[in-house]
Amino acid sequence: EPEVTQTPSHQVTQMGQEVILRCVPISNHLYFYWYRQILGQKVEFLVSFYNNEISEKSEIFDDQFSVERPDGSNFTLKIRSTKLEDSAMYFCASSAQGAGSNQPQHFGDGTRLSIL
Amino acid sequence: SQQGEEDPQALSIQEGENATMNCSYKTSINNLQWYRQNSGRGLVHLILIRSNEREKHSGRLRVTLDTSKKSSSLLITASRAADTASYFCATNDGGGATNKLIFGTGTLLAVQP
Repeated sequence: EPEVTQTPSHQVTQMGQEVILRCVPISNHLYFYWYRQILGQKVEFLVSFYNNEISEKSEIFDDQFSVERPDGSNFTLKIRSTKLEDSAMYFCASSAQGAGSNQPQHFGDGTRLSIL
Repeated sequence: SQQGEEDPQALSIQEGENATMNCSYKTSINNLQWYRQNSGRGLVHLILIRSNEREKHSGRLRVTLDTSKKSSSLLITASRAADTASYFCATNDGGGATNKLIFGTGTLLAVQP
């Protein structure tokens, strides 16, 4: 069964450094998402992406965050200058169709980001 | 108020027993989805129920949805030790304008062998 893959599984970074989290969505999916889960808290929506542009973002997704689909298979999340509070598990997800279609979102195993 | 609150927060049962988890939400929805998360792993999609459906089955899983009460339940029958995980409900808001899922706080299920 096709799956969403994320790399790396664990990233340790010094505060203030840039970090790029990578995702390969399911190949025929058109809608892509990032979520995060701070330890012990709910999974929170960050951003959705369709047709090479952001379709929706949360208030968490400030100017320090950006997303890109550089080559048609990868989908990346960049944090420009990491803060301690960015430490979390970051999940990538994809779906075949978007809002109102009642299609499930399929998640990767996540990247655990630890900011020192 | 928070969208997606599950109860109980934790549930411990014996193998073979049934496990029921509940989810309440606040706004109108397109659909409600249940996910499983094993410790330190990603979210595995279990089942999606649309706002116009009342019950759905998938293997040992049974999901109900009551839109008048804004609540859903997930029943796992004949539980196994491998069902030990956290279970989350997630809603997609009604109106069709958003793709985002709003997750609940989760129920930690422990199935004792």
